[in-house]
Amino acid sequence: SQQGEEDPQALSIQEGENATMNCSYKTSINNLQWYRQNSGRGLVHLILIRSNEREKHSGRLRVTLDTSKKSSSLLITASRAADTASYFCATDARGAQKLVFGQGTRLTINP
Amino acid sequence: DVKVTQSSRYLVKRTGEKVFLECVQDMDHENMFWYRQDPGLGLRLIYFSYDVKMKEKGDIPEGYSVSREKKERFSLILESASTNQTSMYLCASSAGTGPYGYTFGSGTRLTVV
Repeated sequence: SQQGEEDPQALSIQEGENATMNCSYKTSINNLQWYRQNSGRGLVHLILIRSNEREKHSGRLRVTLDTSKKSSSLLITASRAADTASYFCATDARGAQKLVFGQGTRLTINP
Repeated sequence: DVKVTQSSRYLVKRTGEKVFLECVQDMDHENMFWYRQDPGLGLRLIYFSYDVKMKEKGDIPEGYSVSREKKERFSLILESASTNQTSMYLCASSAGTGPYGYTFGSGTRLTVV
């Protein structure tokens, strides 16, 4: 069962620009998390936002959460070539006790 | 540096073989998970475990079983490998149920021929 859906599926921007990825989900959640995956590797946890939070920052990352719209966005500012990766949102649905991942956004940063 | 270690990065097995994928974490985490990742399908949960000797089915448990005899080790078993089990397998752990992120291993790319 796929809870989160990322949009767009693929995004290509120039180095230095900002990248925005969106995630929509279907049920009430305890928290929402974002992960990065470099090609052929495991996922790396980036940031967690709880259901009672609206915005969170970590370095060049900014995450927002709108529980009324059941959506979240991940903003990466001043992108770098090293940010090229796939980004996944994952939801911890209430009562589920496990994360459900979306299909990811493939981000390409062009030098 | 805390980590989740998967025993093999690449594995090639024959149809019908019994396959063991091993995962070890050194963080004393309570929860461990096995996902498979396929193009266009994202990550799908196979099995997870909240405690030693405890297991729960995920979304796609058919054709798989798991074993957790020790807290740090969670094994995924393909009872009789089939070509449709060719995939990337990802193991993860978390500190417990609640607002915790998952720590993933590097993945095992399994090819069944």
